[in-house]
Amino acid sequence: SFELTQPPSMSVSPGQTARITCSGDALPKQYAYWYQQRPGLAPILVIYKDTERPSGIPERFSGSSSGTTVTLTISGVQAEDEADYYCQSAHSNDTYVVFGGGTKLTVL
Amino acid sequence: QVQLVESGGGVVQPGRSLRLSCEVSGFTFSRHDMHWVRQAPGKGLEWVAGIWHDGSNKDYAESVKGRFTISRDNSQNTLSLQMNSLRADDTAVYYCARELLYCSGLACRSGLPFDFWGQGTLVTVSS
Repeated sequence: SFELTQPPSMSVSPGQTARITCSGDALPKQYAYWYQQRPGLAPILVIYKDTERPSGIPERFSGSSSGTTVTLTISGVQAEDEADYYCQSAHSNDTYVVFGGGTKLTVL
Repeated sequence: QVQLVESGGGVVQPGRSLRLSCEVSGFTFSRHDMHWVRQAPGKGLEWVAGIWHDGSNKDYAESVKGRFTISRDNSQNTLSLQMNSLRADDTAVYYCARELLYCSGLACRSGLPFDFWGQGTLVTVSS
């Protein structure tokens, strides 16, 4: 089966750097995408194609990829970044989609 | 502006059926592949089903295969999810989501990620 694994939670102080990982055997062959979800709201896209940032997303959000692991980095974390973060990828036909289990980021 | 509005959620007994709809506006619906994603209370996102822009290909998560059917009406700008034989573990907020459109010159194709989501509709399966 196609699975993506994320740490369930992490915490960071304001101004520090948060690095959220996502691991999966298919990631060397498939792009990964990252979403932010605040409580009670729909997810929003923060990184696509491993490293690209959509317009309107702050520059402190960046993505990287190495082998079977992709990483979402939030530099200079702010209180408003406290949220759940999900990675996503898909089989080659892009129709069968998978999400990671999500990482709850707490800003201390 | 792009809008996706889900409807049809509610409380339903186990074993019964429910049909969700997602009405879209602000973009050319027929150009985008579309998906349903759900989120059980306090849990993570789970992809449910996807359909190509022209409806010619559909795929489903194993957890709903054989019970749920995704469809679309491009003339009505509507995405649907027919849910049969509902179970308690189908209880969730259901979101519809649009795939991004990648264009190079005049050629465009739909592909991940999901660039717009609806606000979600809650389905509760309970006796």
